[in-house]
Amino acid sequence: KAGVTQTPRYLIKTRGQQVTLSCSPISGHRSVSWYQQTPGQGLQFLFEYFSETQRNKGNFPGRFSGRQFSNSRSEMNVSTLELGDSALYLCASNEASTDTQYFGPGTRLTVL
Amino acid sequence: AQSVTQPDIHITVSEGASLELRCNYSYGATPYLFWYVQSPGQGLQLLLKYFSGDTLVQGIKGFEAEFKRSQSSFNLRKPSVHWSDAAEYFCAVGAGEKLVFGQGTRLTINP
Repeated sequence: KAGVTQTPRYLIKTRGQQVTLSCSPISGHRSVSWYQQTPGQGLQFLFEYFSETQRNKGNFPGRFSGRQFSNSRSEMNVSTLELGDSALYLCASNEASTDTQYFGPGTRLTVL
Repeated sequence: AQSVTQPDIHITVSEGASLELRCNYSYGATPYLFWYVQSPGQGLQLLLKYFSGDTLVQGIKGFEAEFKRSQSSFNLRKPSVHWSDAAEYFCAVGAGEKLVFGQGTRLTINP
């Protein structure tokens, strides 16, 4: 099986812009979780989608949003970018039968 | 609330030496516990997991971990490290769709 795919791998944006990141989970997995990783805050849960519905949400402002499509692919969007949004954004594909998450390579976002 | 503590931010060991990375957790019920490894610029790779049963679990790359309920710990061990083990290691607790991670332990290997 192919692994988790995230695109793009690297992004550079300026403050005030918005950005969309994409994640394709492992075939057959219907749940996708997103995490933000920064040197100061570590790995923090953003949200989780299952069958096109957000089931769980972390403690992030409304500028962070996401969605999931019928083929389980997921996107996350960050609007009005701030310098502090610079981070590695990781997508995880959730295997329901084993309650295990498998991670993609991440998207490195730099906000200037 | 769920939480994970990795007391050691950075550990240096010599190649061939044994390794133990510490992890303590706080969780309201029987925890699902995981160890992941991250190489620079990469995503997280699952090393091993504990759900129930035998408290000593074996993982990939020669790693093992022991769940000790009385100590709320899930320490990762390897009998002999290789230079390729240099990376950051994360302990995590939670259910399948949401994990709470520790701050990570950076492992450096001396030749």
